[in-house]
Amino acid sequence: EPEVTQTPSHQVTQMGQEVILRCVPISNHLYFYWYRQILGQKVEFLVSFYNNEISEKSEIFDDQFSVERPDGSNFTLKIRSTKLEDSAMYFCASSTQGTVYEQYFGPGTRLTVT
Amino acid sequence: AQSVTQLDSHVSVSEGTPVLLRCNYSSSYSPSLFWYVQHPNKGLQLLLKYTSAATLVKGINGFEAEFKKSETSFHLTKPSAHMSDAAEYFCVVTISGSARQLTFGSGTQLTVLP
Repeated sequence: EPEVTQTPSHQVTQMGQEVILRCVPISNHLYFYWYRQILGQKVEFLVSFYNNEISEKSEIFDDQFSVERPDGSNFTLKIRSTKLEDSAMYFCASSTQGTVYEQYFGPGTRLTVT
Repeated sequence: AQSVTQLDSHVSVSEGTPVLLRCNYSSSYSPSLFWYVQHPNKGLQLLLKYTSAATLVKGINGFEAEFKKSETSFHLTKPSAHMSDAAEYFCVVTISGSARQLTFGSGTQLTVLP
């Protein structure tokens, strides 16, 4: 069964550094998403992406965040200058146009900012 | 705004006994509701969804949920728990004005005792 994959599974970085989290969505999916879960808190929506542009973003998704689909298969989340409070599990998800709302999630990347 | 409340952070059941995971929602409009499950080190997997069709929704692995508008509830049930059901379960609702942004509950950790 097709899956969403994410790399790395765990990323440790120093405050102020840039990180790129990578996701490979399911191949025929057209909508892509990033969510995050800070330890002990709810899963929160960050951004959705369709047709090579952001379709929605939350208040969390400020100027330090960006997303890109660089090569037609990968979907990336970049955090320009990491802060301690960016430490979280980041989930990528994708969905087809035909199955609205049914988002398929990857296993997540645990980001630790020290 | 829409929100979802999972009434129990932890539920323990014995193998072979029924499972009940409770969820209440708040919505200004007719919501779409979902249950997702997360096993350790795995992505979030869709168990079932309600999108204004039948109020009793059947999902994978013997789970089902009933949408009760009068009680604003969407509780998840299973007649007989299996050890493999041990996981974290999330009740999820679509946010008002957005067909794709998911709003998560805080999760319920299900433990199945032998």
